[in-house]
Amino acid sequence: GDSVTQMEGPVTLSEEAFLTINCTYTATGYPSLFWYVQYPGEGLQLLLKATKADDKGSNKGFEATYRKETTSFHLEKGSVQVSDSAVYFCALSPGGATNKLIFGTGTLLAVQP
Amino acid sequence: EPEVTQTPSHQVTQMGQEVILRCVPISNHLYFYWYRQILGQKVEFLVSFYNNEISEKSEIFDDQFSVERPDGSNFTLKIRSTKLEDSAMYFCASSEAGSGIPYEQYFGPGTRLTVT
Repeated sequence: GDSVTQMEGPVTLSEEAFLTINCTYTATGYPSLFWYVQYPGEGLQLLLKATKADDKGSNKGFEATYRKETTSFHLEKGSVQVSDSAVYFCALSPGGATNKLIFGTGTLLAVQP
Repeated sequence: EPEVTQTPSHQVTQMGQEVILRCVPISNHLYFYWYRQILGQKVEFLVSFYNNEISEKSEIFDDQFSVERPDGSNFTLKIRSTKLEDSAMYFCASSEAGSGIPYEQYFGPGTRLTVT
């Protein structure tokens, strides 16, 4: 079945460092891809999404490009801040008649001043 | 800004007991979901609910689970006879619509269920 694999955490970076969190997926159809973020004590919030191949989602300085040839949707940010410390989840929605989300395990990002 | 709320934030129960987890979705949303995350594992889809009936459920959502929208605002998940392996964080979510275009799902902060 469809699945998402993302890199293990925690990822610890200094402020202003470059961030990459890897995400790859397996899907039989044409899924939509998402990154969700969870700040301490809060629910999952949609960070960005891409609905078809070569789409780039972006928000708050974060970007991810839907790469069909490598089945990847890596999250990047050029310069992280302490406030970016959170758990990041990669997810896919298989599409068609379902809107369920299939998540990766989440990656904890800790940014130090 | 509208948000999904969940109560309680933490529930401790003994094995074999029934628990009800409560959620208040965003008021104009039509689709509702439950997910769970066992510690250290992936967030897993349990069930989606639309128009007062289940629209999709996973293999995890067996006969011990049920969902209900009892009063037009709350959305509940009942676990009839809890097992140790039901210990997890349970997330409720809601969205404006459900199929076709991937509408954003808005998540609550979760209820941590501990079965002893």
